[in-house]
Amino acid sequence: AQKITQTQPGMFVQEKEAVTLDCTYDTSDPSYGLFWYKQPSSGEMIFLIYQGSYDQQNATEGRYSLNFQKARKSANLVISASQLGDSAMYFCAMREDRGSTLGRLYFGRGTQLTVWP
Amino acid sequence: DTAVSQTPKYLVTQMGNDKSIKCEQNLGHDTMYWYKQDSKKFLKIMFSYNNKELIINETVPNRFSPKSPDKAHLNLHINSLELGDSAVYFCASSQDLGRSGELFFGEGSRLTVL
Repeated sequence: AQKITQTQPGMFVQEKEAVTLDCTYDTSDPSYGLFWYKQPSSGEMIFLIYQGSYDQQNATEGRYSLNFQKARKSANLVISASQLGDSAMYFCAMREDRGSTLGRLYFGRGTQLTVWP
Repeated sequence: DTAVSQTPKYLVTQMGNDKSIKCEQNLGHDTMYWYKQDSKKFLKIMFSYNNKELIINETVPNRFSPKSPDKAHLNLHINSLELGDSAVYFCASSQDLGRSGELFFGEGSRLTVL
C-alpha cells in the first residue's frame, strides 16, 4: 500500500488566487511527521512546512499552511496568494517514528503546480 | 555556505563504468541519506547513516555502496553502471534520524548512463 497519495498530477491556478494541493497518508504509527517540499525546474528540493502528528494546531509558514485532518489522514497544502514563482512540483512526505522505519521519508508522486498570470 | 553539497552535479558515463558521488554537510547533523529520483520524479530512499553507522539499506543492487568516513560525509559509489541507473541522486541530512525536523537536501546529482 502506498504510504503517501497525491491524487492531482497537475494543478493550475491564476496568480493571486489560493490553491490546495491534496495529500493523504497511511500509517498505523501514532507518532509521525508530515512534510511538504517544493521542487522547481532547477531541481533542488526546498522544505516548505512540517506538521507533527501530535501538533494541535495546523502548521503555517508565510503563505503556506497545512490543513491537517488526522481522522481523515489528510495533510493538504494550501498556498495563498499564488505567485508565478510558485510554479513547481510539490511533494508531500511522511516520516514514521517507529523503530523499523525510523529515519526514512516516504514521498508521494508529486503535484505539478502551474501558476498563470 | 551551502548546507548540503554534492559533487558532481552532472555525470555522463558509459555503461559498465564505475563512478562516485560525494556529499558533505556542514550543519552538524548526525544522519545522512541517499535518495534516488527516477525519470517520473518519484523519490525513494536508498541508504541512511546515523553517526557513521548504516541504519537503512533499501532493496538496492549491491553495485551501489555507500561510505561514510565521518558524520559530515556520505559518498555513493556505483559499480558496473547500467542504463537503469540514470536518475537524479539526492544526498540529504537531518538531526536525530529526522525526529527533530526536516531533511535538508543537496542540489542533486544527475547521472546519465549511455
